[in-house]
Amino acid sequence: DQQVKQNSPSLSVQEGRISILNCDYTNSMFDYFLWYKKYPAEGPTFLISISSIKDKNEDGRFTVFLNKSAKHLSLHIVPSQPGDSAVYFCAAIWQSGNTPLVFGKGTRLSVIA
Amino acid sequence: DAGVTQSPTHLIKTRGQQVTLRCSPKSGHDTVSWYQQALGQGPQFIFQYYEEEERQRGNFPDRFSGHQFPNYSSELNVNALLLGDSALYLCASSFTGLAGGNEQFFGPGTRLTVL
Repeated sequence: DQQVKQNSPSLSVQEGRISILNCDYTNSMFDYFLWYKKYPAEGPTFLISISSIKDKNEDGRFTVFLNKSAKHLSLHIVPSQPGDSAVYFCAAIWQSGNTPLVFGKGTRLSVIA
Repeated sequence: DAGVTQSPTHLIKTRGQQVTLRCSPKSGHDTVSWYQQALGQGPQFIFQYYEEEERQRGNFPDRFSGHQFPNYSSELNVNALLLGDSALYLCASSFTGLAGGNEQFFGPGTRLTVL
């Protein structure tokens, strides 16, 4: 039973446009959410996170939105750049600190120049 | 400041063999978590070590075991290898401090192939 779902395996976006990556979760105990980016032959790199007490967190070109009632979060990248091409993983945890990350299967983003 | 390091980078084993993977956490981190990432999947939590003890464990059989050393480095051991154990094994480190250590830093992984 997948607790964190990324239903789009891949996404293709033109350079300069907005990329929107979606993530759904089923476990209402999750109260902290993270996005990781992964390039081939590298480990996942932390990108941005959001606590369940917020509905938006912004860091430069990256914004994460959280809709708790829908158990849905999304990552917006504006403007998209070719270097953003990677696999993006959504992850969730219980806010007790150092609990296991539960990952989705990832979405491969391709930004076309 | 070195990040999380893992060795070896790649490993090829045959069914039934045993393997040991190693991880050195980021400087200042005291907690190590291990994940298995199969092809096309997200990382799956194996276990976490803190203060040289297994603190949490995911849904993996006892063939998977680990260890944490006083310098916080860690090993993952897998016995009686199966073809299905072929995957990328990721180590992540964090700090169990006042902030809770939600952010985990990942190493580049060890690619294990079981033939």
